[in-house]
Amino acid sequence: EIVLTQSPGTLSLSPGERATLSCRASQSVSSTHLAWYQQKPGQAPRLLIYGASSRATGIPDRFSGSGSGTDFTVTISRLEPEDFAVYFCQQCGTSPYTFGQGTKLEIK
Amino acid sequence: EVRLVQSGGGSAQPGGSLRLSCAASGFTFIYDWMHWVRQVPGKGLLWVSRVNNDGSSTIYADSVKGRFTISRDNVKNTVYLQMDSLTVEDTAVYYCVRDVSECGSGTCYNRRFDSWGQGTQVTVSS
Repeated sequence: EIVLTQSPGTLSLSPGERATLSCRASQSVSSTHLAWYQQKPGQAPRLLIYGASSRATGIPDRFSGSGSGTDFTVTISRLEPEDFAVYFCQQCGTSPYTFGQGTKLEIK
Repeated sequence: EVRLVQSGGGSAQPGGSLRLSCAASGFTFIYDWMHWVRQVPGKGLLWVSRVNNDGSSTIYADSVKGRFTISRDNVKNTVYLQMDSLTVEDTAVYYCVRDVSECGSGTCYNRRFDSWGQGTQVTVSS
């Protein structure tokens, strides 16, 4: 099983700041099967990034993804109030399709 | 617009059974794999099971293997999760999810879980 470890667990920032969230895999993951999701309280997760760097439909360009092998990152260039949420990475190339434990992005 | 509308779930005693349903619309259902993912409130996401597009292939997380059965009806555009021998550890919100990817020359790329149902609470307690 591929274990995904996200860091930090919680990130406290202010609107307008830049956020960098990390996801490290226990073994190499094909970048075409690395995705990121955003989840707000009481809602289902929403696809943010797929293929490590492609934005899903409707996702603003302040969100970007990068990485390869075992290290992946999502960056939010300038935080908007609606970006404060929990973010999960996922590898969907090898069963079981594992998720990271999540990074909570909170308002400072 | 892609829609996944879930039903079923609720409460059961340990050892009991429940069935979840997920009705899909807004896309060509028979083209896509479907999954179930669960989440204990306040915790992370756990992938549970997947069924391929024609229902001929299914896979499960070890924690539910032999107890849960995923299936689909491509006439009714619905995917199901039959949950038997439930334990308290199965208590969670369950999501139905669409899996999409781009495929060519026998290889698929950019797999992602692009649409999620609204979630259904399953509570197992005595």
